[in-house]
Amino acid sequence: EVQLVQSGAEVKKPGESLKISCKGSGYSFTSYWIGWVRQMPGKGLEWVAIIYPGDSEARYSPSFQGQVTISADKSISTAYLQWSTLKASDTAMYYCARQGFGGVGFWGQGTVVTVSS
Amino acid sequence: DIQMTQSPSSLSASVGDRVTITCRASQGVYSWVAWYQQKSEKAPKSLIYAASSLQSGVPSRFSGSGSGTDFTLTISSLQPEDFATYYCQQYYSFPYSFGQGTKLEIK
Repeated sequence: EVQLVQSGAEVKKPGESLKISCKGSGYSFTSYWIGWVRQMPGKGLEWVAIIYPGDSEARYSPSFQGQVTISADKSISTAYLQWSTLKASDTAMYYCARQGFGGVGFWGQGTVVTVSS
Repeated sequence: DIQMTQSPSSLSASVGDRVTITCRASQGVYSWVAWYQQKSEKAPKSLIYAASSLQSGVPSRFSGSGSGTDFTLTISSLQPEDFATYYCQQYYSFPYSFGQGTKLEIK
């Protein structure tokens, strides 16, 4: 059974750093693109970034380029999304998503990130 | 970037109604379109991929059609559990943009 299990909710202050994770299981982690989708409170879905763990090729949505870093550790089948300097506007739910020829067939449960002073 | 324009943004319907949601891409995306259902900001659920293929386990009252720039999601006979928000997504070119969503409410 394919599963994407994300790390827990985070509460941070503006200016702090953060790294959230998504562990994949039940499939070949290096054979699928995996990425992060943001959903701000009451809003729609936006792709943040995506990575191919097989060769670590990463792509970023223009709105997020330079604001976050996506990475993957294929030895432990885990993808990450990292901020070096959080802003209040980063407050959102972040979903891990496995993208394939069938669209996003599998989603993580979501990680709530709250940035508040 | 490819923009996905979804309509309507909200829709009121009754159990048993036939409902259609449309999505237009700003440029051709072949059949690389998926549709998702989301309830109460839980993780979305995949319904349709490749414009018209039903994901495993999804009821047959859901169907998708289209290619190029114009796509539709149809629910043939609404059930109580179908009241949710629906999103289209193109995955032809990254960023794999979503439509803005259609909130389907009970009339």
